[in-house]
Amino acid sequence: AQSVTQPDIHITVSEGASLELRCNYSYGATPYLFWYVQSPGQGLQLLLKYFSGDTLVQGIKGFEAEFKRSQSSFNLRKPSVHWSDAAEYFCAVGVYGGSQGNLIFGKGTKLSVKP
Amino acid sequence: ETGVTQTPRHLVMGMTNKKSLKCEQHLGHNAMYWYKQSAKKPLELMFVYNFKEQTENNSVPSRFSPECPNSSHLFLHLHTLQPEDSALYLCASSQGYQDEAFFGQGTRLTVV
Repeated sequence: AQSVTQPDIHITVSEGASLELRCNYSYGATPYLFWYVQSPGQGLQLLLKYFSGDTLVQGIKGFEAEFKRSQSSFNLRKPSVHWSDAAEYFCAVGVYGGSQGNLIFGKGTKLSVKP
Repeated sequence: ETGVTQTPRHLVMGMTNKKSLKCEQHLGHNAMYWYKQSAKKPLELMFVYNFKEQTENNSVPSRFSPECPNSSHLFLHLHTLQPEDSALYLCASSQGYQDEAFFGQGTRLTVV
């Protein structure tokens, strides 16, 4: 069965520090992978997605993610975190041929940013 | 503003009430989705509509009844809910089945 694991429930980083959020997936075929961000009281916003091709994907707000098939991972990174990045981040895998609305989500990682 | 509007933003209802959640998208999309976001659980896909036809129903209890009268509107009718149904209900839409999904801000539902 398809699944997504985000091992870190809560991460705190200092403003200006680098960030890496982990995501591991289990999927029998070539995965379609996504990272979403959710600010308090808001819906989800797509940060980036991987379908095929270059394994390093650039997204909005300075985020990037790297697909590593051998590790079944799709970790999210940002070189320098801003206070406005404090939010909850969700990794997701698309199923059924890549439908971008039919997603299996991880439980999320809450990011706090220290001044 | 993502183009997907959900109303109401907050709803408190008793277990014997009947209420409806509304989702409207102004993006010209053909696929619409209902998700449930509970505390400490992953987001769960509930229903999928593609061109007004329901294509997915992920074993959702019958006390949740979706309706998609046209490609721009999606409803979730609620009746005799349980306290464990309290959650954030998110609507999303995409141009087609293979296109990026845009989410609404959600309706925070509390069942008392």
